Order: sequence, then C-alpha cells, then structure tokens
Amino acid sequence: SQQGEEDPQALSIQEGENATMNCSYKTSINNLQWYRQNSGRGLVHLILIRSNEREKHSGRLRVTLDTSKKSSSLLITASRAADTASYFCATDGAAGNKLTFGGGTRVLVKP
Amino acid sequence: EPEVTQTPSHQVTQMGQEVILRCVPISNHLYFYWYRQILGQKVEFLVSFYNNEISEKSEIFDDQFSVERPDGSNFTLKIRSTKLEDSAMYFCASSPRAGGGTTGELFFGEGSRLTVL
Repeated sequence: SQQGEEDPQALSIQEGENATMNCSYKTSINNLQWYRQNSGRGLVHLILIRSNEREKHSGRLRVTLDTSKKSSSLLITASRAADTASYFCATDGAAGNKLTFGGGTRVLVKP
Repeated sequence: EPEVTQTPSHQVTQMGQEVILRCVPISNHLYFYWYRQILGQKVEFLVSFYNNEISEKSEIFDDQFSVERPDGSNFTLKIRSTKLEDSAMYFCASSPRAGGGTTGELFFGEGSRLTVL
C-alpha cells in the first residue's frame, strides 16, 4: 500500500452515530493532517496533529496518532447528514515540501 | 475570508493541445502546490513551489508540465501537449508554512476540471 491509506474505503451510518476511519502510513512524518472533500469540490483542512502529539480534538472531531504503529484515526461524533463527504489523511514527509494524500474514506450519513 | 481561486473551472481540449490552468493563491502565502485527482481516485501531488522555484516534483510532473508565477499573484500550471490520461481535476493549494521545515495546513482552490478528448 502507499503512504497514507485510509480504511475503510466507504462507510455508511445513520445520523447521530459516530464515524471512525483509520489511516496508515509508511515513512516517518512531521505531522499528519485530515481533510474533507465534498463531491466535486476542493479539499478543506480539518485538523493537524504533530508527530509528538497523541490525540487532538476539534469540535466533534477527535484525531489520534500512533507513530509506533504508523497509524491515525479520525472520529466524527454525533454525525450529521452534512458530514457526508470524503475524508483524506495526508502526511508530511521528512523534507516538508509536500503533503501525500491517501485514497480517502467516503462517508455517507443517512438522515 | 481569503481563498484560493482557480480558473477555468472546466476546460475541454483536444489531445495534443496546450493548456494553462491558473490559480491565485492567498496573498500572504509563500508556498504553492498543484495536485490532481482523477475522478473518484486519490489526490496526487504534482509539484511544490517556493521562492520562485520548484521545491519538489513527482514522477507525474514530467517535461510536459511546467509551473510559473509570472506576476507575483498568479500561479500557473501549463501542460504542453495534453494526453487523454491528463483528464482530471487539478487543484491548486497555498500555504503560509508551519515553519521548522514542515508542511502546514494547505488551502485548496475549488479545482479546474480538465477533459482531454
């Protein structure tokens, strides 16, 4: 697999439920970021977690990072229909010249 | 709120033609990027640009591609001779940079959809 692979590829939940998606990566990182993309639109930054952090919260979002396992998770609590989107993790490599994105998790929140 | 703007939103071209995609990054940002996304697939890095030169480029960014910041505000991506497989959504992004040699938050435009016939 490539740097920044999300799991699952797709997720369907009911409004009010929590959505959890995971990201695995291969190389050492400076930080890991999560982005959201509504269909046909640009990517929007959600949250950044640094390599020396283990957990971070932003509103209904909770991100964890385990550098020993090279993995991260994004939890969206109390999901809403408006959370329907694709979610991508992105890693910043050693050179810090770019972000490398995973394949994304498509989340469908049914009202 | 400042935003990255991209034009055109959609361009249809014939194979072999040159295409220029334009981007206006956020004004106080220093780092600029082009990414592409083939329909429904992952977002692929093309090139990063800082201080009027390319910082890094991917294998996709071959001799057919070039970038330019001609006037201090626009940031363009040129494809000299388009191929069918260049059909994709092209995203421009900019960043003020997090400092310390890391890539901070990227601000993306809404994309330019390129269709090569």
